[in-house]
Amino acid sequence: AQSVTQLGSHVSVSEGALVLLRCNYSSSVPPYLFWYVQYPNQGLQLLLKYTTGATLVKGINGFEAEFKKSETSFHLTKPSAHMSDAAEYFCAVSDPNSGGYQKVTFGTGTKLQVIP
Amino acid sequence: GAVVSQHPSRVICKSGTSVKIECRSLDFQATTMFWYRQFPKQSLMLMATSNEGSKATYEQGVEKDKFLINHASLTLSTLTVTSAHPEDSSFYICSANPDDSRYNEQFFGPGTRLTVL
Repeated sequence: AQSVTQLGSHVSVSEGALVLLRCNYSSSVPPYLFWYVQYPNQGLQLLLKYTTGATLVKGINGFEAEFKKSETSFHLTKPSAHMSDAAEYFCAVSDPNSGGYQKVTFGTGTKLQVIP
Repeated sequence: GAVVSQHPSRVICKSGTSVKIECRSLDFQATTMFWYRQFPKQSLMLMATSNEGSKATYEQGVEKDKFLINHASLTLSTLTVTSAHPEDSSFYICSANPDDSRYNEQFFGPGTRLTVL
């Protein structure tokens, strides 16, 4: 069984400040890990994903995340927040042995507020 | 990138009626699609896995007779909420897993907001 824990349902940062959204996972096998962003009343957009290889993953809109196996973490960061980053962010995990991109388990989400 | 559409984007219906939501992959084929449900300020919960040409696989606690899924082609899956009640009001999101292995992610539709009066 897999699970995802996102610490902090709400995070507020000032425009231009560092964004750090935390995600810890639990998986019995090396997982695939994802970060999605959701704007109000819209579907999900993939920000970045980790499957294999380099543990530091760069995504769209200046976001990146680092897979740390020893800490079972996949925190999302962005050096400088922009107003357009205000949205809900979901961390997710899937089992590569189950098709890899199927049966994705989502975290509870973190709502990011960017203060002007 | 690949595009998934959903129709309708919003629907309001009376209690007891049935509502059909369509999920289409516009520029790729998908043997497997997924239906999620999202309550306000909550995460996405997988309801079922829709497989083209075979029965859907429902997650524990999801009533298959209430949420009918039909995946009749490689680009279309439908979710029908039968005899809808106010507690079925939610945001329903589908996703599609492209058959083409070059795509290594699921693609999500924009969602359908269902309100049952």
